[in-house]
Parts: sequence; structure tokens; C-alpha cells
Amino acid sequence: EVQLVESGGGLVQPGGSLRLSCAASGFTFSSYAMHWVRQAPGKGLEYVSAISSNGGITYYANSVKGRFTISRDNSKNTLYLQMGSLRAEDMAVYYCAREDGGAAAFFDYWGQGTLVTVSS
Amino acid sequence: DIQMTQSPSSLSASVGDRVTITCRASQSMSSYLNWYQQKPGKAPKLLIYAASSLQSGVPSRFSGSGSGTDFTLTISSLQPEDFATYYCQQSYSTLYTFGQGTKLEIK
Repeated sequence: EVQLVESGGGLVQPGGSLRLSCAASGFTFSSYAMHWVRQAPGKGLEYVSAISSNGGITYYANSVKGRFTISRDNSKNTLYLQMGSLRAEDMAVYYCAREDGGAAAFFDYWGQGTLVTVSS
Repeated sequence: DIQMTQSPSSLSASVGDRVTITCRASQSMSSYLNWYQQKPGKAPKLLIYAASSLQSGVPSRFSGSGSGTDFTLTISSLQPEDFATYYCQQSYSTLYTFGQGTKLEIK
């Protein structure tokens, strides 16, 4: 059974840092690109970042570029999101998602999400 | 980045109704369009990929159509469990942006 389990969320002050993790199981993690998507309280889904299967290619939404870093450790079947210079508008539930479908990419599995609260 | 615009933003309907949600892209993107359903407190669930392909396990009352810039999600006969928020997503360009969502409520 495919499982994605996020962790690392919590309360952080504005300007602070936090690292999220997404532990994957039930599939060959190193064969799949992975993504982070967030959802602010009461708002819609916002695409955050992507990483290729081998970690060599990364993408970021303009809203987080230069502040967030996506990475992965295929030996540990884990995806990461290092978040820095956090702002109030970064407060959200952060989901990791697996990309499948080849050229017609889609997110077929999602984690349960981890809440990041940015407040002083 | 490709901008995705859904309409309507919210919709009230009754069990048994036929419902259509529209998604428009800011540029042509062939059929690289996905639809997700999200219920409160839960992660999104994939319904339709590549504009019209039904994800395994999803009821056949859900269907998708369109290509280029205009896409639709149709629910042929609403069931109580279908009341949720629906999002489109483009996977044509590298930042797989989402529409703003359509909240489907019980009339």
C-alpha cells in the first residue's frame, strides 16, 4: 500500500525556519518525481515545489523561490522541504504528493498534510 | 505560469442533479488537465487525469472533457458523498498550478 506521511510542522515565528519531511512507503520512491502543495486556512490549493526522481531537477513557485529548498534522500525514501524566512502568508497545511502518469502528469497519492503556523 | 480559472466558485445542487464545473486555462495546454475532489480536513483525491481519463476506483458518474484552454468536469447524478470542493490542475508546464476551487454545496 502506498503511503506518504508528512511530519515537521508546527509553530514558528516570522523569519524563522522549519524543515518538513515526507516519508514514503509501498512503492519505489526513487522512480517518482515528488511535489509539495500547500493550503492556507480556508483557502484553495497552492502549488509549491517539485523535485525529479533523482533529485537533479527542482522547481519552485515564485512565492517561495529563494526561501524554500526541496530535496530528497532516496536511500531513506524521504522527501524534504526546508523553509526559511517564513512569513504569515506561509501558514498552511503542507501536503506532499507523488507524481505519476508520465507525460500526462498527475498526483495520484497524497499525504495527510502537516500544519505550519507562522506567528509571534 | 499558466493561470487556471474555475467557474463557478460555488454551486448549490440537489442529490440526483447533473452538475458541470468549468476550468479555463490562460494558454492552450492540449489535454494536460486533472481534476481533484477535496473534503474538509482531508487531502485531495484524484478523479480525472488527462482531461477525460477516469482514475481507477472513481465512480463512472464523474466525467471530464475538453482540450486546449477549456475543460469541464461533469457529475451526472449527484450523490450525497459528492458534496465537496473540486479543483482543476494543469500539468502542461512545470509549475502544476491549480484553479481556485469550486465548492459544491447541498441545496
